[in-house]
Amino acid sequence: GAVVSQHPSWVICKSGTSVKIECRSLDFQATTMFWYRQFPKQSLMLMATSNEGSKATYEQGVEKDKFLINHASLTLSTLTVTSAHPEDSSFYICSARNWQGLANEKLFFGSGTQLSVL
Amino acid sequence: AQKITQTQPGMFVQEKEAVTLDCTYDTSDPSYGLFWYKQPSSGEMIFLIYQGSYDQQNATEGRYSLNFQKARKSANLVISASQLGDSAMYFCAMRAGYSSASKIIFGSGTRLSIRP
Repeated sequence: GAVVSQHPSWVICKSGTSVKIECRSLDFQATTMFWYRQFPKQSLMLMATSNEGSKATYEQGVEKDKFLINHASLTLSTLTVTSAHPEDSSFYICSARNWQGLANEKLFFGSGTQLSVL
Repeated sequence: AQKITQTQPGMFVQEKEAVTLDCTYDTSDPSYGLFWYKQPSSGEMIFLIYQGSYDQQNATEGRYSLNFQKARKSANLVISASQLGDSAMYFCAMRAGYSSASKIIFGSGTRLSIRP
């Protein structure tokens, strides 16, 4: 089946530094990718919708200047957490849509990135 | 506004029994899609099943079936003959709208525990 690769799997960084997370669709072209954040034992909260070649659409309450999203190609989207602080520590997970129309949609997830900010 | 609700925070089921996980949704868009995902302790999200709003029949994938009741706006997941490996978090999700850019939101999840 389709595979989405997300790197790194985990990262520890100092407060104030920036961290980049990559999400790649390996065997299909993903016009849309989604970035979610998940706190322990909670649901996935949608942060933003990333469309290839255009600006990302951020959910209400998500700071676009802090969470920079770039979707430069049909197979790659990146999330950069700028000037990270301890409250940004979380599990970040991307997903890529293999759009086949309303009748047969597939959404594939990366393995997630555990970010810990010291 | 779209909303998806899972009212069962946790469930315990005996191995080999069938289990139903509840999911209700709300959207004003006539075109939408409903998903179920499984998340084991490893954190990965495993796709289980998908139902489009115009599908006439309930979706089935192996031991998984989706009980789609459009008038009630419910999309319950049924797992037949549960196995120990089914213990995990289960999330219901919805895409509202007919567009490759339509966003997908998740319910709060149900933690399923299978007893041997």
